[in-house]
Amino acid sequence: GAGVSQSPSNKVTEKGKDVELRCDPISGHTALYWYRQRLGQGLEFLIYFQGNSAPDKSGLPSDRFSAERTGESVSTLTIQRTQQEDSAVYLCASSLKGVNQPQHFGDGTRLSIL
Amino acid sequence: GDSVTQMEGPVTLSEEAFLTINCTYTATGYPSLFWYVQYPGEGLQLLLKATKADDKGSNKGFEATYRKETTSFHLEKGSVQVSDSAVYFCALSDKDSSYKLIFGSGTRLLVRP
Repeated sequence: GAGVSQSPSNKVTEKGKDVELRCDPISGHTALYWYRQRLGQGLEFLIYFQGNSAPDKSGLPSDRFSAERTGESVSTLTIQRTQQEDSAVYLCASSLKGVNQPQHFGDGTRLSIL
Repeated sequence: GDSVTQMEGPVTLSEEAFLTINCTYTATGYPSLFWYVQYPGEGLQLLLKATKADDKGSNKGFEATYRKETTSFHLEKGSVQVSDSAVYFCALSDKDSSYKLIFGSGTRLLVRP
C-alpha cells in the first residue's frame, strides 16, 4: 500500500532555471492537490485536479507556474524562470472523490533557489 | 474568502499536562474541519476531522468539537506525552472551494519529560 510519492525530495537550483516536481498519487485517487509551504508558514493551495482536468487553478501565484496530470495518475508541477521567493516545500496530496474524503500527503519536495 | 486562524506557538508543556490549541475559522459555506499533524522529519498526517456542527473528532487521545456558534475547532488532549511533540495544523475544506484545504499557520508543540 504505497502512499503519495514525490520526487525529488530535495532540489537546489539557480535563479532563472526551470524546475519540474513530480507527484505519484495513491492508486485510485482521482483528486490531486498541490500545496506550497514556505518556511514557518502554513500550507498554501496551488492547484486541484479531478482526473486529468484542473477545475481550480486559483492558487497558482504567477504564470511561471503550471501543472499537468496524465492518466489520472502522475502529476508534474513546473516552475519556469525560478525566483528566490519560490523557495519552499511543495506538497502533493491525493484523495478519493467526494465529500469529506481525507487528503493523503506526500513528504514533499524541498526547493531551494540560489 | 475562507480562512483559518490558530494560536501561535511554540507551546511548551510538561509531560502529562493538559493541551489546548485554539483554532477559529471563517467560511461562507458549511466546511469540514480537520487537524493535521507533522512530526519531526515526517510528512503531514490527518489527526482527526469533523464534518458538521457539534461533531467531535477524536484520535490518539486528541479531541476537537466543531462549534458553529463560535466558529471554532479547538484541539485538546488531557495528558500529553513527549511523543506528541510536533507541529499541528488546523484546516477547513469546503465543497464550494474544490475541497481544497485551507490551513492555519501551524502551532509547534514541545513536550518536555
